[in-house]
Amino acid sequence: QLVQSGAEVKKPGSSVKVSCMASGATFNNHGINWVRQAPGQGFEWLGAIVPLFGTPYYAQDFQGRLTVGADKSTGTVYMELTSLTSGDTAVYYCAKSQRRGSTALGEFWGQGTLVTVSS
Amino acid sequence: QIVVTQEPSFSVSPGGTVTLTCGLTSGSVSSANYATWCQQTPGQAPRTLIYSTLIRSSGVPDRFSGSILGGKAALTITGAQAEDECDYYCVLYLGRGISVFGGGTKVTVL
Repeated sequence: QLVQSGAEVKKPGSSVKVSCMASGATFNNHGINWVRQAPGQGFEWLGAIVPLFGTPYYAQDFQGRLTVGADKSTGTVYMELTSLTSGDTAVYYCAKSQRRGSTALGEFWGQGTLVTVSS
Repeated sequence: QIVVTQEPSFSVSPGGTVTLTCGLTSGSVSSANYATWCQQTPGQAPRTLIYSTLIRSSGVPDRFSGSILGGKAALTITGAQAEDECDYYCVLYLGRGISVFGGGTKVTVL
């Protein structure tokens, strides 16, 4: 089970950091994806990381504004999005990969974190 | 830029069969794209129905099945029920750690 940090309200131009950890277990060398869904919209893949390897991967639209990382000591994966605008208001999800060492999206999702960007 | 395509909407009769597809604007979908199908009902977190093209997630009814059809990933609902009325999204792995979602298909059961 993946457990995410709580809801955030941010000002335009600021940054937000959302974390994801495996409840009662480790990620077991699986990759973790970050996905978001804006109100009334579809899903958007943002980025991913395999904590074992540490190399992050990003969607082209978020290169330079998104940082995905892993803290092996706490078993936590995080995403940080900078230069927020109202268009970043969405529910952000972490999702575990299908296989160890891969990022291809699998069957387990976090509960979602609502990020609201408002002045 | 590679785009993942899905039908915007589909209608199916209760007890009927419907097949949703998930394609690429450049090239065919194969098992190497590890297609994942997700279901979402309003206000709830998404639920993965199928991953790795055809593996059914834990607890998913066997009326849902995944396959490759005509160069596209496919999700078939056999014997549709009223509770299957919701949005369905596919996501394809493109390699080098990158995945892309389709725009989703709204399924109506009537």
